[in-house]
Amino acid sequence: GENVEQHPSTLSVQEGDSAVIKCTYSDSASNYFPWYKQELGKRPQLIIDIRSNVGEKKDQRIAVTLNKTAKHFSLHITETQPEDSAVYFCAALLYSGGGADGLTFGKGTHLIIQP
Amino acid sequence: GAVVSQHPSWVICKSGTSVKIECRSLDFQATTMFWYRQFPKQSLMLMATSNEGSKATYEQGVEKDKFLINHASLTLSTLTVTSAHPEDSSFYICSARRSGRETQYFGPGTRLLVL
Repeated sequence: GENVEQHPSTLSVQEGDSAVIKCTYSDSASNYFPWYKQELGKRPQLIIDIRSNVGEKKDQRIAVTLNKTAKHFSLHITETQPEDSAVYFCAALLYSGGGADGLTFGKGTHLIIQP
Repeated sequence: GAVVSQHPSWVICKSGTSVKIECRSLDFQATTMFWYRQFPKQSLMLMATSNEGSKATYEQGVEKDKFLINHASLTLSTLTVTSAHPEDSSFYICSARRSGRETQYFGPGTRLLVL
């Protein structure tokens, strides 16, 4: 099955600086890579996702890059703000249109934005 | 939108009792729903995939007789934790996915405490 590694486990940055979180996956067939933000005690919220036919995707201050050859993908947050503080999870799956294809999550990164 | 609700949001029960958790997609039809479990300060672990009108698919190590899943309609899946024990105490989160789309939307979670 799929295995997703995520680094770092904790990341502390100054407000206004950029943050980068990296993930690697094991199954080269995986074709969908979402990123979720989870605040304490709340549901994971999708912040951005990327499919395997795309190398990069950007949405305002958030961007994701995918390197299929190396089997890794990264989340980039620019101009960080205090409200960006949360736990971020990467995930991967092989989406086949149906069946048992749940997400495999990384262990999470606790992002701390220092004022 | 894509709104998923869960009920109850938290439950405390005695060891040996059964607990039912409901997951509903409020504004879309979900042919597939997923159940995850999250222990404190850990990642989300997929327990099972619930397909409308068919038996659930369980991940390795998850006891299907202990965690009963029913997906009776396109908007409702239920998870019943039978004969709950203190080690079953956790945060249970469902997600739902539209037919033909890979994006999963998460419910707010149910915090279960077994005494």
